[in-house]
Formats: sequence, structure tokens, C-alpha cells
Amino acid sequence: EADIYQTPRYLVIGTGKKITLECSQTMGHDKMYWYQQDPGMELHLIHYSYGVNSTEKGDLSSESTVSRIRTEHFPLTLESARPSHTSQYLCASSARTSGRVPSYNEQFFGPGTRLTVL
Amino acid sequence: KNQVEQSPQSLIILEGKNCTLQCNYTVSPFSNLRWYKQDTGRGPVSLTIMTFSENTKSNGRYTATLDADTKQSSLHITASQLSDSASYICVVSDRGSTLGRLYFGRGTQLTVWP
Repeated sequence: EADIYQTPRYLVIGTGKKITLECSQTMGHDKMYWYQQDPGMELHLIHYSYGVNSTEKGDLSSESTVSRIRTEHFPLTLESARPSHTSQYLCASSARTSGRVPSYNEQFFGPGTRLTVL
Repeated sequence: KNQVEQSPQSLIILEGKNCTLQCNYTVSPFSNLRWYKQDTGRGPVSLTIMTFSENTKSNGRYTATLDADTKQSSLHITASQLSDSASYICVVSDRGSTLGRLYFGRGTQLTVWP
């Protein structure tokens, strides 16, 4: 099992609160990702990072922000949570596999944080 | 538009039976195709990864096939167990970016009954 951790696992909060979802990996991976997943739906990439001090927005527009100050840590922050933010948030990390043509980046996923905003 | 379609959406089988899940994709240029297993409330876990030169790969009771010409893949589960109950997600990666963007299917929800 991959060494990637997310906290909290479950979070129920009221509208307007500021929250931070934590994600840490101990594999030394340079790339990290945040996905959003609603029940029965596909994962959507909302943020990614190539490495320290690198952050990019993904395919799905999100009001959340991320930071990458340390290689192993990639927290996601919502300044003012709303009911529309209710979803499961999955963090992943990867390192490019060398010696294969073409090379590919196997992504390892954390257990997810299920966020409910009332 | 790059897409990944999976069928069936859900499937119920009895313990010990075999089943096959389907995945069709339009992602181009193609890099690799993965099958993930996602237990309820957990993150996806990789089962198999295949590049365009591989047409079959096994992982225990899981066997994935890939036809890069027709852009189809299947995941065959042999002698199902109760622990196989999960969502199985087909994921295709493209070669069009250094990120190796992943395109996710919605998954097939498999339920194994005793």
C-alpha cells in the first residue's frame, strides 16, 4: 500500500468556515495532485504540482487553493466553504518511471477526505 | 474530446463466478491504460497498467486486455470473492503533456453476493 496520507478522513462543517485538507506522502514523489469526486462520477483534477513552489490549476475549476512548500506536503484550502463544495477530495502523488518507453507516471492515491458543508 | 466510457455501470454477481468489465476510450495520443479498484470511502488502488505494446496483463485473479486498434479494454475477474465488491475504474493517460494527463471513467460498481 502506498505511503500517502490524508487528514481528516471525514469533515462536516458549516457554511463560511475556512478549512484545510492535509495531504502528505513519504515516497519522495515530485508530482502531487488533488482530485474531486462526486458519488458515481469520475475523478476530476482540480490542482497539481510538479514540485516545490509549483502549483497549477487542473481541468475542473475550483475555488480552493493549494501550496507546495515541502516536497512531501500538499495541503488544499477553502477560504469560505459552501454546500456546493460537498464532495470527496482525493490526493495523489507520482514519480516518473524510468527505463520504459514511453515512461509513465503511476499515481498513488490517498484514502480521501469526505467533506460535507451544511 | 478525450473520453473514457465504461460498461456496465453496475453489476451484481454471486461469489465464485467470473465477470468481465468493459472500457472504451477516445484518448489520443495514447500512452497507457490502467485499471484501478476503489473500495467505498477509499482512494483508488492500481490493479494493472498497460502500454500500447501490451495486450494482456494479469494480477492474480484480475486479467486486463487492451486492443489499441479498437481502443477497447476489458478487465476479467476470475472466481470472484466478497472482497471484490468495489468500483473498478478505467483510466487512460495521454502522451500530449509532460504531466501525462489521466482521463477517468465513471467506474463499474461491482457487488459480489454470497
